[in-house]
Amino acid sequence: DTGVSQDPRHKITKRGQNVTFRCDPISEHNRLYWYRQTLGQGPEFLTYFQNEAQLEKSRLLSDRFSAERPKGSFSTLEIQRTEQGDSAMYLCASSLEGGSRETQYFGPGTRLLVL
Amino acid sequence: GDSVTQMEGPVTLSEEAFLTINCTYTATGYPSLFWYVQYPGEGLQLLLKATKADDKGSNKGFEATYRKETTSFHLEKGSVQVSDSAVYFCALSENGQNFVFGPGTRLSVLP
Repeated sequence: DTGVSQDPRHKITKRGQNVTFRCDPISEHNRLYWYRQTLGQGPEFLTYFQNEAQLEKSRLLSDRFSAERPKGSFSTLEIQRTEQGDSAMYLCASSLEGGSRETQYFGPGTRLLVL
Repeated sequence: GDSVTQMEGPVTLSEEAFLTINCTYTATGYPSLFWYVQYPGEGLQLLLKATKADDKGSNKGFEATYRKETTSFHLEKGSVQVSDSAVYFCALSENGQNFVFGPGTRLSVLP
């Protein structure tokens, strides 16, 4: 197993554009999480899926953000009408429900820069 | 809500020095506690964890003990190496789903 992968690793966009990130979790993991990490801070929880169902969303997730996991495997995170404040590292993690007390395994992240 | 506080960095040590990174938490319930490490250019990796009071997590020479009475989970290593230079994050999870991370502590180990 190759672990959690994310694509792209880096994205530069102009303010007002839409961007979409992809996360491929560890294959047998049924839970998938998105976090945002800004410089000098720890990851902040954005949203979480169990299989294809989005079970929890943070107050940080404005209506410009949408996440999907249509077949319970990979997930996408879309940001519409990007703002400079959206510049951050977007992290994806996955876990197996009930396994090892829910240890989360993280991908390398997608670094977004909004100009 | 739940929160995690870590000692501010950066921490700079010489090789073979003793390391302590303090972590304290507040939680409404009985969380599991974790230390994650982020090496330069890489994603977060689980370093160790503890799921109940007085448990000691250990890995790669690092240790941390779950102290419920002081709500702490301090990270220690007896002899650090240059390769331990990284950012260390303390985290908690009450339900195995919603993780709360501290701000991270950057460690630099000099040869």
